[in-house]
Amino acid sequence: GQNIDQPTEMTATEGAIVQINCTYQTSGFNGLFWYQQHAGEAPTFLSYNVLDGLEEKGRFSSFLSRSKGYSYLLLKELQMKDSASYLCAVRDEDYKLSFGAGTTVTVRA
Amino acid sequence: ETGVTQTPRHLVMGMTNKKSLKCEQHLGHNAMYWYKQSAKKPLELMFVYNFKEQTENNSVPSRFSPECPNSSHLFLHLHTLQPEDSALYLCASSHGPDRGVNEQFFGPGTRLTVL
Repeated sequence: GQNIDQPTEMTATEGAIVQINCTYQTSGFNGLFWYQQHAGEAPTFLSYNVLDGLEEKGRFSSFLSRSKGYSYLLLKELQMKDSASYLCAVRDEDYKLSFGAGTTVTVRA
Repeated sequence: ETGVTQTPRHLVMGMTNKKSLKCEQHLGHNAMYWYKQSAKKPLELMFVYNFKEQTENNSVPSRFSPECPNSSHLFLHLHTLQPEDSALYLCASSHGPDRGVNEQFFGPGTRLTVL
């Protein structure tokens, strides 16, 4: 099985940077995903890491260290619309996703 | 319609009712999933279908019964539910395992309340 931990809540100011950490302990690893979920809406795919290192996509970047069982999602130049829940998910070798409980990010003006 | 759609968006039912949730994907995917999302808890995988065949039943109580008539449609039949089954039920779809990143695309969910 998978054990995935991420902080429950984070607050940051518009224009700032926030880093959401995710640690995992898994019985098999086949990729790590980050999803964004606005209240009352579907989770939407943000990023995918399967090799160690940093993946950058505009204002969002995601990092993975497989040896440490660690990932982070970096949100730069925060905007009010970035207020949402961010879900870390680990895929196992059977292609099943296990999710963390999510980190609620609140962006303040 | 595009993406993954779910109906109804909200459902209130009594413990003796029978109802069904519907999911439809317009992405040409081969795999479909049901998840349960409760407040402050991780998404819980309930069922997985690949090419209409159920490949995963994650120890879900028999009062939840899935049906996948084809690769585009997925149902979750509900009967004699308990109040603790109240949650957001999310449907997702994806390509088969041999298709790259293979991220899952989610529908907006059905908010279920069991009285």
